[in-house]
Amino acid sequence: QKEVEQNSGPLSVPEGAIASLNCTYSDRGSQSFFWYRQYSGKSPELIMFIYSNGDKEDGRFTAQLNKASQYVSLLIRDSQPSDSATYLCAVNMNRDDKIIFGKGTRLHILP
Amino acid sequence: KAGVTQTPRYLIKTRGQQVTLSCSPISGHRSVSWYQQTPGQGLQFLFEYFSETQRNKGNFPGRFSGRQFSNSRSEMNVSTLELGDSALYLCASSSPHSDRGTGELFFGEGSRLTVL
Repeated sequence: QKEVEQNSGPLSVPEGAIASLNCTYSDRGSQSFFWYRQYSGKSPELIMFIYSNGDKEDGRFTAQLNKASQYVSLLIRDSQPSDSATYLCAVNMNRDDKIIFGKGTRLHILP
Repeated sequence: KAGVTQTPRYLIKTRGQQVTLSCSPISGHRSVSWYQQTPGQGLQFLFEYFSETQRNKGNFPGRFSGRQFSNSRSEMNVSTLELGDSALYLCASSSPHSDRGTGELFFGEGSRLTVL
């Protein structure tokens, strides 16, 4: 099992709809989870982090964490064309304190 | 506040050569991490340095090495280059004042290495 897994996409979502991005991780003891956004030709930038089970909202973004299922998700409400990017899930692995990234999901918002 | 600076931005090498990449973190950041990004493998962790000490290392061969200086600037070196080393090498720094577990990495623009 890969340490951090994401569906590579592309995920196509109509403008104004909700985009749902998912991520699973292997290290059950991990405590810190992050979503980074990477535009084509640019570097990743942090958009959300979550430590506790449940939901965390920040503007149009909601991160959801279920530690029992080892599952993290990112919801983007009212999707905009500017949200088109690759979204990277990152996990601070408990066993060795490394921050490991998934391969990313390409999101395409259709105007 | 200046961001993370990586040099050079682009470089072309041939197989068997070696390369050194440089990273200057955000002022005040003491942790520097290096990642290799390729289309097939995504972002792969190379190593992390904190206060001149390697705190963590990824699953890369010994040809990949790094170091950190007292001013927190970091370098990574790849010796005996192979075609498969062609990639974008990203450096990221993080703040010493935040919980280490926050994982808020600030990335540089990367050094794109092409090995011919």
